[in-house]
Amino acid sequence: SYELTQPPSVSVSPGQTARITCSGDALPKKYAHWYQQRPGQAPVLVIYKDTERPSGISERFSGSSSGTTVTLTISGVQAEDEADYYCQSVDSSGTYGVVFGGGTKLTV
Amino acid sequence: EVQLLESGGGLVQPGGSLRLSCAASGFSLSSYAMSWVRQAPGKGLEWVSAISGGGSGGSTYYADSVKGRLTISRDTSKNTLYLQMNSLRAEDTAVYYCARDLGFGDNWFDPWGQGTLVTVSS
Repeated sequence: SYELTQPPSVSVSPGQTARITCSGDALPKKYAHWYQQRPGQAPVLVIYKDTERPSGISERFSGSSSGTTVTLTISGVQAEDEADYYCQSVDSSGTYGVVFGGGTKLTV
Repeated sequence: EVQLLESGGGLVQPGGSLRLSCAASGFSLSSYAMSWVRQAPGKGLEWVSAISGGGSGGSTYYADSVKGRLTISRDTSKNTLYLQMNSLRAEDTAVYYCARDLGFGDNWFDPWGQGTLVTVSS
């Protein structure tokens, strides 16, 4: 089955830039999306279609893609950014194969 | 404002049944695909099921782990999404979220409901 691979944890100091990667064989052909989940809360979409930012999401959040890896970048990290981040994509096989990465805990 | 509100979770014995509801406001369910995504305690997100948009009931899709036991449906007159859960197992214990499913074929989810907890235990 198709898998998306994320690092379990990333740690940065306030004001620094955090980069969270997500790798998957189908990512050159399929978009990736990113969600932020703070403790005890529902996930929130922060990036869709690799690089698009939904309205209301801080400009500090950006996405990029290169080959089989996509990256979520958070600039000027703040304490409120401490959360779990999940990438998500779909299997390229044509079935309804929604897949999530295992999640990355961002510690500020 | 687009909002989703789940209900119906609770404690159920193994082999039992439960029906989850997801009331939508600010948009019409019939115009969008919708999905259920679950999260076991301390674990990551797992897509469970989806129903396509459209007025004739919609096509349904399931993860292999729940196929044959869970059924997704919607009532457009009530603007409510459902998940009928039968033959429940301990491994179905999770918070269940409903989410609007966008970009069919490159699906992404926005917004999400607050979730409802299902606990399968004797």
